[in-house]
Amino acid sequence: RKEVEQDPGPFNVPEGATVAFNCTYSNSASQSFFWYRQDCRKEPKLLMSVYSSGNEDGRFTAQLNRASQYISLLIRDSKLSDSATYLCVVTPSGGYNKLIFGAGTRLAVHP
Amino acid sequence: GAVVSQHPSRVICKSGTSVKIECRSLDFQATTMFWYRQFPKQSLMLMATSNEGSKATYEQGVEKDKFLINHASLTLSTLTVTSAHPEDSSFYICSAQQGSEKLFFGSGTQLSVL
Repeated sequence: RKEVEQDPGPFNVPEGATVAFNCTYSNSASQSFFWYRQDCRKEPKLLMSVYSSGNEDGRFTAQLNRASQYISLLIRDSKLSDSATYLCVVTPSGGYNKLIFGAGTRLAVHP
Repeated sequence: GAVVSQHPSRVICKSGTSVKIECRSLDFQATTMFWYRQFPKQSLMLMATSNEGSKATYEQGVEKDKFLINHASLTLSTLTVTSAHPEDSSFYICSAQQGSEKLFFGSGTQLSVL
């Protein structure tokens, strides 16, 4: 079983749509959780950290359910510029060491 | 601007040659650098972790004699793919971290072995 699993997509949505991505992780001892965004053949860029209390950054909302080992990302009012691959990332210990990446979920936003 | 510089961004080489990829932290001292590999439509897979002045720690299944990592200074780590073969064609990317601070990624190197 992969350490971090994501639906590969693609999710094809119109501008303005709300879209949700899910992710599960296998290591219950995982300490830190993140969503990264990666454009084709570019470096991943940190979108946001994910906390059990849930957190929001503009149109993006992330949630963590430790009991279910489940992480989600909600994007509201999708923009064309949101088209990218969204990577679910966990660390086996606290902090930013040794990131374990999911394979990513591809989002395509169309006019 | 970029805080981690990775070079080259793209390299095409013949089978059997060696390729060196450089990763530099531009405005901080990177005590730890990580090297990842990403095949098309797959996740970034950690290859090795290098700490300045010591030998790299390789992940299971990664051949240390094939992927030579040198982290001789606090601002530079290199990955050398020795005797590259077509199956080594991939996107290689480094990341650098100062202590336990946030880490930064290089822009990646697309390696194509003919």
